[in-house]
Parts: sequence; structure tokens; C-alpha cells
Amino acid sequence: GAGVSQTPSNKVTEKGKYVELRCDPISGHTALYWYRQSLGQGPEFLIYFQGTGAADDSGLPNDRFFAVRPEGSVSTLKIQRTERGDSAVYLCASSQDGRSNQPQHFGDGTRLSIL
Amino acid sequence: DAKTTQPPSMDCAEGRAANLPCNHSTISGNEYVYWYRQIHSQGPQYIIHGLKNNETNEMASLIITEDRKSSTLILPHATLRDTAVYYCIVRETSGSRLTFGEGTQLTVNP
Repeated sequence: GAGVSQTPSNKVTEKGKYVELRCDPISGHTALYWYRQSLGQGPEFLIYFQGTGAADDSGLPNDRFFAVRPEGSVSTLKIQRTERGDSAVYLCASSQDGRSNQPQHFGDGTRLSIL
Repeated sequence: DAKTTQPPSMDCAEGRAANLPCNHSTISGNEYVYWYRQIHSQGPQYIIHGLKNNETNEMASLIITEDRKSSTLILPHATLRDTAVYYCIVRETSGSRLTFGEGTQLTVNP
């Protein structure tokens, strides 16, 4: 079956611009996660959705970052007033149920470059 | 979540077993051990997870010591495509996030 899909695969934009990154989770997965990975490091947690609600957003670095999942399926990560330090690969993952031991399955990410 | 310690790099000959160690001495009773790997330019790929019993699937075997303070991921017949960074992660059942460390860069040599 289809895995986690992320679009676009690459995004280049100028400092100060607004960007939206999209994640399509595996069908039927109620839990969705966003991570950010800088070069040479492991992924870092940003936010976790259980259904439509953000159950844990403690990883968001500041108020320029926001994510939504209005219908409990597709999620969008939004970054306002982008800065060069926001350049990274943004990864999305989903799992059947965030409250169990079911593994998270990742997409291949969106590579964001801020010029 | 408990912290894990892994060697930064390992080498393995193609066709041989690759044994990747992980220490998690502060693991608590409700924490699972997960293994993921990441091939360059791809997202992390789930491999296997376990609580206290040894586990095996089509990709690998997971051996967890009786005191649960360490584990070993075994790739029984490594191929060149197994070259990747391997992450050992400890996570609570009710936890949300996966906390990734530095991982082990496994290089499979021909």
C-alpha cells in the first residue's frame, strides 16, 4: 500500500517568505508526527497530532511554526517569516495509534532551503 | 525517554552478519526499544521493535538482554544496500515522540 507522502520534495525560497509543507499519512493512521532534520544530525521532534488535535506541540521552535490537520488526515506545516536557520529536511511520520507501541512510518521529507 | 548509546561507525563484509549494539541502561519497564535506519536522502525506515523478548522479522532480529539494559540488532546476511545510519531509540508506550541520537553509520563492504 501507499506510504507517507510529502510534497513538495524540495522547496527553495527567500528569507522572510511564508512556506507550507504537506503530508499525506498512511490511510487509516490516526497519529501524525512532524520532525526536522539538519545536516549530519538525527531527526528532531516538532509536533504530534492524534486525530485532528495537536496532542504535543512542545517541539515547535517558536511561534513562526504552526501545523494543522483539520480533517484528521492530511497535515500542513506552516512556517512564517522564514529564516536561513530554518533550512533543513522536514519529515512527516504516521502510525496507527499514537497511544500504543505501533511504529511510526516516515515519508522521504521536504528539503527546505532558505536563501 | 531513556537515553541510548551506540558506536558512531561500524564496518561489515557483504554476506556476513552485522551486529549493531545499543546501550540503554536507564530504560524503564514500560519503554520499548525501536530500531530505524536511514539511507542517504531518504526518510528513516522502521526495522523492528521489542519490549523484553527477542524479536525477528523479515529484515532483522532484535536481541534484548535479560536486564534490558542493552540490545543488539542483527542483520543476518548484510548486503551493500544495508549501508545506512542505524538508530536505536527507547520510547514509552504512551509517548509521542521518537528521540533520535547520533546513530551508527554501518558500511557494508564488498
